[in-house]
Amino acid sequence: KNEVEQSPQNLTAQEGEFITINCSYSVGISALHWLQQHPGGGIVSLFMLSSGKKKHGRLIATINIQEKHSSLHITASHPRDSAVYICAFNPPLHSGGGADGLTFGKGTHLIIQP
Amino acid sequence: DAGVIQSPRHEVTEMGQEVTLRCKPISGHNSLFWYRQTMMRGLELLIYFNNNVPIDDSGMPEDRFSAKMPNASFSTLKIQPSEPRDSAVYFCASSLVGQVTSFFGQGTRLTVV
Repeated sequence: KNEVEQSPQNLTAQEGEFITINCSYSVGISALHWLQQHPGGGIVSLFMLSSGKKKHGRLIATINIQEKHSSLHITASHPRDSAVYICAFNPPLHSGGGADGLTFGKGTHLIIQP
Repeated sequence: DAGVIQSPRHEVTEMGQEVTLRCKPISGHNSLFWYRQTMMRGLELLIYFNNNVPIDDSGMPEDRFSAKMPNASFSTLKIQPSEPRDSAVYFCASSLVGQVTSFFGQGTRLTVV
């Protein structure tokens, strides 16, 4: 069973549309991440959050800890937003203080058409 | 800082050959992670180190895979012998112990033919 489920798997939209990508997880976490992977393959961290909401430019990430759900929103989408968006989480920090590795969703392949 | 540096960026090798992937974490970071990305399984954690010590290698697929971190600024992931099903993109990431924000390298695209 996947611990992280993302939806949709694929999304094609027109430039300017408001985009929402959803992520649900089934275990306790210490932090949730949204990552962006461009066609060249590099992975960039967009957000790391453990509660509430964060905004960076046209990107907004929210998390509801009780519902184990997070969303990534893109306002006024642009073709350069086309990428794979990956939700990932860290398990709860253990008593030794170490941060365990990330568990990833399968990603959402977003295409924004001009 | 130059970020996490991986080498090589691309590697094509024949089945049965030994492959060594290299990673230089961000200076001062003391957690290092190796991930593998395939079309079928997405991104998966292979192994991670805290302060050069392997903490969890349960993601390493089999004994053909081994990883070392001889010092704080260098790690290797070795596959011996390599098989076509090992073809994937291998990412290295680093962070500070106790911090959950990881920084990724550009990845090594491995093709085993």
